[in-house]
Amino acid sequence: AQTVTQSQPEMSVQEAETVTLSCTYDTSESDYYLFWYKQPPSRQMILVIRQEAYKQQNATENRFSVNFQKAAKSFSLKISDSQLGDAAMYFCAFWTGNMLTFGGGTRLMVKP
Amino acid sequence: DTGVSQDPRHKITKRGQNVTFRCDPISEHNRLYWYRQTLGQGPEFLTYFQNEAQLEKSRLLSDRFSAERPKGSFSTLEIQRTEQGDSAMYLCASRSVGTPPGRYGYTFGSGTRLTVV
Repeated sequence: AQTVTQSQPEMSVQEAETVTLSCTYDTSESDYYLFWYKQPPSRQMILVIRQEAYKQQNATENRFSVNFQKAAKSFSLKISDSQLGDAAMYFCAFWTGNMLTFGGGTRLMVKP
Repeated sequence: DTGVSQDPRHKITKRGQNVTFRCDPISEHNRLYWYRQTLGQGPEFLTYFQNEAQLEKSRLLSDRFSAERPKGSFSTLEIQRTEQGDSAMYLCASRSVGTPPGRYGYTFGSGTRLTVV
């Protein structure tokens, strides 16, 4: 069974600064996918960024980038130039091709 | 395409009552998933369908829970004899199994928040 652990229940960042959210996972699979989802108070889960495990290059989407360390089973999310609209719950998720397995989430607060 | 729709958005019910939620996936998506999310936690998988066939059920899905997708389009999730522990948000997601795995993730609905009093 896969497990996903987010060790930071809450994080805070000043507007325009950079913050990194941590995620570790455990699996015996070699082929899988990792995601970061954002869940604002409106509740809808929004895909932020995705990483295929076979790719060595870290994924980047505008201000969002990941640090994927396959051997360490680590998948952190870096948010650059933080904006007030980034405030939300962030979930790391693992996928081998069917259901997603989520971590417990990190609440990100952005201070103006 | 209006995304994944869930109805109702909120439901308050008395313990012991039955409730039913509906999910309308993106029309071309043949897989539909149900998740449960308790306050402050990540979503947990409940069950999924490919077209009208229910292919997998989590151990979280007790015999008081039943899900259907009769024509391979919308799905319903029914909870019988609700308990306070059923209070949670119930999320629906859909995807097309024909797309490369992982490329598009899932498309989630906004969820139905159930409160059992």
